[in-house]
Amino acid sequence: LAKTTQPISMDSYEGQEVNITCSHNNIATNDYITWYQQFPSQGPRFIIQGYKTKVTNEVASLFIPADRKSSTLSLPRVSLSDTAVYYCLVGDGTNAGKSTFGDGTTLTVKP
Amino acid sequence: NAGVTQTPKFRVLKTGQSMTLLCAQDMNHEYMYWYRQDPGMGLRLIHYSVGEGTTAKGEVPDGYNVSRLKKQNFLLGLESAAPSQTSVYFCASSYSQPGLAFDEQFFGPGTRLTVL
Repeated sequence: LAKTTQPISMDSYEGQEVNITCSHNNIATNDYITWYQQFPSQGPRFIIQGYKTKVTNEVASLFIPADRKSSTLSLPRVSLSDTAVYYCLVGDGTNAGKSTFGDGTTLTVKP
Repeated sequence: NAGVTQTPKFRVLKTGQSMTLLCAQDMNHEYMYWYRQDPGMGLRLIHYSVGEGTTAKGEVPDGYNVSRLKKQNFLLGLESAAPSQTSVYFCASSYSQPGLAFDEQFFGPGTRLTVL
């Protein structure tokens, strides 16, 4: 089981770039890394997924070093609406029941 | 497409009562999940299903039962509710298994359950 570790909370200001790092030392060879965003009173929402190097979509980038023991979610130019909890999920690709969400990182964006 | 829907949205039970939470998805996903989320905490997997007619235990299965008689529906039952089961319950579905490509989980809006 690839347990993940993230900072509990982070603060930022509007317009800044935010980087949230997740450690997953026991990641298996075939596992993908997926990040989710959750607003209060809503279910989590998929942000981005990656396996190695760098992945970018319209909302975020995901950086994964060669050893894949960590990953960094990068949010460019955050706004107040990016205030949310961000979860890193590293699934056990051999067992659907072994994938777990940690406690996530609460990002607070200030004006 | 409605995505993932959950019924009911809110419920208050007395200790010892039973209830069933219904989750429905219209994306033809094989994988479905039930999570609970306590205040200020992350999501914990209760039970999951890898296909119609199959169910399996997750991280915190005690006190809950599930059924997946139809591919699109996943039911979560509480036979004898306890105050410790007060939580927000989320259902999710996915095309592939977590940890693999295209494993994006689509979540429902949640059910807020209070057990007195």
